[in-house]
Amino acid sequence: DSGVTQTPKHLITATGQRVTLRCSPRSGDLSVYWYQQSLDQGLQFLIQYYNGEERAKGNILERFSAQQFPDLHSELNLSSLELGDSALYFCASSVANGLSGANVLTFGAGSRLTVL
Amino acid sequence: AQTVTQSQPEMSVQEAETVTLSCTYDTSESNYYLFWYKQPPSRQMILVIRQEAYKQQNATENRFSVNFQKAAKSFSLKISDSQLGDTAMYFCAFMKHGSSGSRLTFGEGTQLTVNP
Repeated sequence: DSGVTQTPKHLITATGQRVTLRCSPRSGDLSVYWYQQSLDQGLQFLIQYYNGEERAKGNILERFSAQQFPDLHSELNLSSLELGDSALYFCASSVANGLSGANVLTFGAGSRLTVL
Repeated sequence: AQTVTQSQPEMSVQEAETVTLSCTYDTSESNYYLFWYKQPPSRQMILVIRQEAYKQQNATENRFSVNFQKAAKSFSLKISDSQLGDTAMYFCAFMKHGSSGSRLTFGEGTQLTVNP
């Protein structure tokens, strides 16, 4: 157990629908990151939050949004789902915000999303 | 933008032997960090080893060591005394040091199979 908790582990839904993925970081970690792993695009960085604020943004679609709450858990919202959104979505957490030092990311087990 | 390239999609090795996985990267940054993560069939992303670019000494973690060649922008992973449990997808990853967050840029991965 990495200490990063992601729910649900598996999710099957239909095109056009909206889902929410949830992540609880390791105790003491202030940063949360979201990554998408798909067969054709590999591991892609989506977004990072640090202590409730957006810190960095990657290749996140406009249909996707995320937030980090005061208790530091984070949610990734995926809307108007398409077949191509089927992927494994990872959350990772770290102590620091990236301003100094090697910021080691600890990953959760992932949420597998299947869009039919 | 940084890119990470792993030119070996698949590799295999006999148990107890040594194998080296290759990784090259492209960056104009001088301060950065490099990582190897493994992803076993469980899909969990697990940190194997990390290297700070300002350190000339190659990092080692038990049976895992790296050969970091900064000028050549090369970062290979050597696994000694390979074990069946080392069977996994291995990802090389780059992280820039600085104020823009701590995103990891991953390579395409190398699927390593350890044969009995």
